[in-house]
Amino acid sequence: GAGVSQSPSNKVTEKGKDVELRCDPISGHTALYWYRQSLGQGLEFLIYFQGNSAPDKSGLPSDRFSAERTGGSVSTLTIQRTQQEDSAVYLCASSEQGAISNEQFFGPGTRLTVL
Amino acid sequence: QQQVKQSPQSLIVQKGGISIINCAYENTAFDYFPWYQQFPGKGPALLIAIRPDVSEKKEGRFTISFNKSAKQFSLHIMDSQPGDSATYFCAASWNTDKLIFGTGTRLQVFP
Repeated sequence: GAGVSQSPSNKVTEKGKDVELRCDPISGHTALYWYRQSLGQGLEFLIYFQGNSAPDKSGLPSDRFSAERTGGSVSTLTIQRTQQEDSAVYLCASSEQGAISNEQFFGPGTRLTVL
Repeated sequence: QQQVKQSPQSLIVQKGGISIINCAYENTAFDYFPWYQQFPGKGPALLIAIRPDVSEKKEGRFTISFNKSAKQFSLHIMDSQPGDSATYFCAASWNTDKLIFGTGTRLQVFP
């Protein structure tokens, strides 16, 4: 079956512009996560959606970052007024609620470059 | 208390050798400890995972050793191969799907 997909795969933007990154999770997965991975760095948690519950936004670095998940499926991460330090790979993952393994399935990521 | 500390940051091993990556945690409520493997240009993928009711789990050449009293766990890669060259992340979670990741270890296996 299809895995987690993300689009675009690469995004180059100018400082100050807004960007939207899209994530299509695995069908039926109720949990969806966004992470940020800076060059050679670890995985920085951004936000977590679980079913109809209020999202866990504790990892969002500033109010320029927001995310929504429509219909419990597709999610969009929006970065407003982008800054050069926002340059990173943005990874999305999904998992099946209640699964014993708690395994998160990651997409290939969107590489964002802010000039 | 939510951190997972991982070491070393990078590791170079000869083909056929043993690769060992270590992680430590503080939160005793953590009850799930996975390791993820990431190749360049790809998202991380689950490699192997353990729960604290066992001290060791082995899958092929990959073994997790878990020391509950020391709050440490490690990944051992036996007979390391060039194809194992990747970045490895340990992680931990408690009661939810939210994983706390370590900072990653870049492994290079030379022929």
